Amino acid sequence: KAGVTQTPRYLIKTRGQQVTLSCSPISGHRSVSWYQQTPGQGLQFLFEYFSETQRNKGNFPGRFSGRQFSNSRSEMNVSTLELGDSALYLCASSYRLDKSTDTQYFGPGTRLTVL
Amino acid sequence: AQTVTQSQPEMSVQEAETVTLSCTYDTSESDYYLFWYKQPPSRQMILVIRQEAYKQQNATENRFSVNFQKAAKSFSLKISDSQLGDAAMYFCAYSTGFQKLVFGTGTRLLVSP
Repeated sequence: KAGVTQTPRYLIKTRGQQVTLSCSPISGHRSVSWYQQTPGQGLQFLFEYFSETQRNKGNFPGRFSGRQFSNSRSEMNVSTLELGDSALYLCASSYRLDKSTDTQYFGPGTRLTVL
Repeated sequence: AQTVTQSQPEMSVQEAETVTLSCTYDTSESDYYLFWYKQPPSRQMILVIRQEAYKQQNATENRFSVNFQKAAKSFSLKISDSQLGDAAMYFCAYSTGFQKLVFGTGTRLLVSP
């Protein structure tokens, strides 16, 4: 079974631009979560989508948004990019069927650099 | 708010030896789940082991085992027979299930021949 895939793997943008990152979950997984990883703040939760609805949201400004499609693929959008948005963005998927067995599996990440 | 603390920024071990990585957490919940993830230089986050708080038995996965002390809110990872491929950042994480993962700051494990 294929793992979580993320595209693109690397992105370079300039301040003020917007960017869209994509995540395809493991086949059968219906939940997709996004995390931001930076040297200063570590790993921080952005949001989770399940059945095309945002279920959980982290403490990030409204410039960060996402959506999920009917095939469970998810996109994350960051508008008006700032230098501080430079980070590794990780996507994780899970079945979200049984709390006692639910485990998140991560993709390889998208490295975003804002100049 | 739940917090996860990894007090060892870096640990070193020789091949074939055993090393233990520490993790403590703070929560008022009774039902939760703990994880260890490994992040090698490729940056791909890989699940190492999972522990359910309601289970008293410590989880094991081949050379990896945990020491889960619920009362002390401690969740350490023991790696036996260390291999060069074990070199990576190790993150301890907490979740109440179907919720966000809360990560510690990580421990860098160095493995020498």
